[in-house]
Amino acid sequence: AQSVTQPDIHITVSEGASLELRCNYSYGATPYLFWYVQSPGQGLQLLLKYFSGDTLVQGIKGFEAEFKRSQSSFNLRKPSVHWSDAAEYFCAVGLSGQNFVFGPGTRLSVLP
Amino acid sequence: GAVVSQHPSWVICKSGTSVKIECRSLDFQATTMFWYRQFPKQSLMLMATSNEGSKATYEQGVEKDKFLINHASLTLSTLTVTSAHPEDSSFYICSAPDRPAGEQYFGPGTRLTVT
Repeated sequence: AQSVTQPDIHITVSEGASLELRCNYSYGATPYLFWYVQSPGQGLQLLLKYFSGDTLVQGIKGFEAEFKRSQSSFNLRKPSVHWSDAAEYFCAVGLSGQNFVFGPGTRLSVLP
Repeated sequence: GAVVSQHPSWVICKSGTSVKIECRSLDFQATTMFWYRQFPKQSLMLMATSNEGSKATYEQGVEKDKFLINHASLTLSTLTVTSAHPEDSSFYICSAPDRPAGEQYFGPGTRLTVT
């Protein structure tokens, strides 16, 4: 069965600290991989995506993610977190034309 | 990039009434659209797949007679929540895939509150 896990339900970091959010997936084939951010009461905003090629992808707002096929992982990183990064983060996977499977989400809190 | 819109962005209705939510692909054609539901503090779960010109397919546990889906054209899918109850209160999000590119575009969501 297809599934996405995000082991950390809630992470708290200090402003300026580095961040890594974990994502692991189980899928029949290597899917396309995505990270989205959602602020309270808002829709999804795409941070970055991986289809193929370079396994380190850059996204918006200073985020990057690394695809590791051997670990079925697609972890999201940011070297220095800003208070405005506080939100819910979702990892999602899917194939072309098919629905996405979303992880349970990780809530990020940022301490001043 | 491509844009998917949803209307309305939020709606409040009374228990027992029906509500229609529209999902439109604004600058591309979508033979398939997906409807997701997100309960508070939870993730997005696929409800159904909307197919232009054919019946929608529903995920296990989703009542097809309660959540009516009509894919009327290549740019419009509608979700009608019939005889809504408070437990149907949720955030409903649609998406449409851009098949050649593998990208998928999400609407901004519709927040439904049933009183």
